[in-house]
Amino acid sequence: QKEVEQDPGPLSVPEGAIVSLNCTYSNSAFQYFMWYRQYSRKGPELLMYTYSSGNKEDGRFTAQVDKSSKYISLFIRDSQPSDSATYLCATSGGGADGLTFGKGTHLIIQP
Amino acid sequence: EPEVTQTPSHQVTQMGQEVILRCVPISNHLYFYWYRQILGQKVEFLVSFYNNEISEKSEIFDDQFSVERPDGSNFTLKIRSTKLEDSAMYFCASSSRGADPLYFGPGTRLTVL
Repeated sequence: QKEVEQDPGPLSVPEGAIVSLNCTYSNSAFQYFMWYRQYSRKGPELLMYTYSSGNKEDGRFTAQVDKSSKYISLFIRDSQPSDSATYLCATSGGGADGLTFGKGTHLIIQP
Repeated sequence: EPEVTQTPSHQVTQMGQEVILRCVPISNHLYFYWYRQILGQKVEFLVSFYNNEISEKSEIFDDQFSVERPDGSNFTLKIRSTKLEDSAMYFCASSSRGADPLYFGPGTRLTVL
């Protein structure tokens, strides 16, 4: 079964807060994990890409993958109003497999 | 920075008509993809394309759909006889290798009347 679950929100937090976004997945064959940001009626923009379990940090963004619990997270530090968007998690088994996306979490950062 | 481009940005068509959506992937990428997103729903995989042939396709990608790389730069999605339920955003994506991250274009909004 190829499914990725993600709470659609909306999630509303004040500017400067730490944001935690999460997904769960069911297929243990998934090895590649991505987070995309999508503004309304625009294409998904790649934020983070990780392979297998572990953490990856890039500026204010940290991605975590726990393959044992099939749980992936994205943390945003010092959140800004410009971070307001829909955040999509996506996974794949690699090769030419298509990505399986979560439904996306709509994030609102209040100034 | 190289990016995936798509044309047109918005296409309006009558039910039953054929449409061709066009994409120019990032120039040194080898894998090409089409996805669609119906308003308010998940981004869904349609098809992947490598070495001038389809690598994978989803259940959505039935006989009314076809893809082509007519030259060294363009990648097209043809929908032969559009239905109302084909109305969606269609995104093209590319990656340098199959396991690499995908880079998406801005999308084509298809409206079928």
